[in-house]
Order: sequence, then C-alpha cells, then structure tokens
Amino acid sequence: QKEVEQNSGPLSVPEGAIASLNCTYSDRGSQSFFWYRQYSGKSPELIMSIYSNGDKEDGRFTAQLNKASQYVSLLIRDSQPSDSATYLCASASGGSYIPTFGRGTSLIVHP
Amino acid sequence: DAGVTQSPTHLIKTRGQQVTLRCSPKSGHDTVSWYQQALGQGPQFIFQYYEEEERQRGNFPDRFSGHQFPNYSSELNVNALLLGDSALYLCASSVTGFGNEQYFGPGTRLTVT
Repeated sequence: QKEVEQNSGPLSVPEGAIASLNCTYSDRGSQSFFWYRQYSGKSPELIMSIYSNGDKEDGRFTAQLNKASQYVSLLIRDSQPSDSATYLCASASGGSYIPTFGRGTSLIVHP
Repeated sequence: DAGVTQSPTHLIKTRGQQVTLRCSPKSGHDTVSWYQQALGQGPQFIFQYYEEEERQRGNFPDRFSGHQFPNYSSELNVNALLLGDSALYLCASSVTGFGNEQYFGPGTRLTVT
C-alpha cells in the first residue's frame, strides 16, 4: 500500500516567517513529487514539482527532496496571510501515471 | 490558454439515482484522471483515461464508470448513488510522458440526500 504521510496541522506561523511543511512517502520507487495548494472549498493547484534529490526554488517556494530518507518538504519564505491554505503532498512511482496524495497540512499565516 | 473545466459546479441527487459529471482537459493534454475528495481528506484516485481507454483504476466499485471522447474530454458516471458518495469530484488533466504533472479543474460538489 503506497502511502504519503503529512501532519494535518494546523501549522501556524506569523506573517513574514518561513513556513516549513513536511511529507514522507512509503514507496521507494517514487520518482515524481508534487506540492499542491488547496484553498477551502476550492480545487488543488499545482505549485511545485520535484524529481531529483536536492532543492528546487520557485519564487518564495523551495521544495526539498531526500530520496534516501523518503521525505519531501516545502518551504515558504516571507509567508503571507494569502498563503493560508491546505498543502497537499503527492508522489508517483516511475511505473505509474497516478500520484498518491497525502491528507494535507493546514497552514495558517497570521498577521 | 483554457484550463481544465468541469460541469456542473454543484449537484444534488437522491439516493439510488444516477449522475454524470463532465470534464474538458487543459489544451494540449491527452490524459484525464478522476478523483473523489471527502472533507479533510486528500484526493482519492478513481480512474484514469488515455487514448479513450481506462488505463488505471483505483479502489472504487463498478458503480463508478467513465468514458473519454476523441477530443480528450471525459465523463464520470456514478450509478445507484449512496449517501457516502457525497464529495468533491475532481478531474485532472496531464500529458502522458511528461513527468505526471496533473492540473485540476474546479471540481463538482455532489450532495446525495
């Protein structure tokens, strides 16, 4: 059973701080990793994809992948109240076209 | 560039009825996946269509069926609705062979009474 685990939160950070979201996965064959942002009542929005070990930066977002430890993280720098949402982590193995999603971590950025 | 579209936005049905949900993929995408998302849960994979055929299926009963048309759009059909089928139904499109990135539509909120 492929599983993606996330702390449900909520993770509460002050405006301007760095928010750190973590995710672990069980399938060692996973090769593709994704972070989605989902506002309440809306659909998930893809914000980052990462395929290789190390860091990948896009604006205020940095995704970090460590395949040996089977974890993925998302850092949000200079957090804004508009970043308050649920962040979903997903992974897909090399032989599958289907990502497995975690339950998501709720992030609250307070002014 | 049009994103993924879904219809209808909201739907209320009675137990035992049947429902059809529709999805048009993002321009240039050839693969459509359907997910069910209950409150507080991550999306659960129902099935994926590619080249008008069901390529993979998740752990959902046969009451859930689908179709993909030559223009890549897709339908999800659910028969004999149960109260537990109430959820947000998400369609995601992707391009097979390009990193499995999936882009979601706005979803259809189904309520079964």
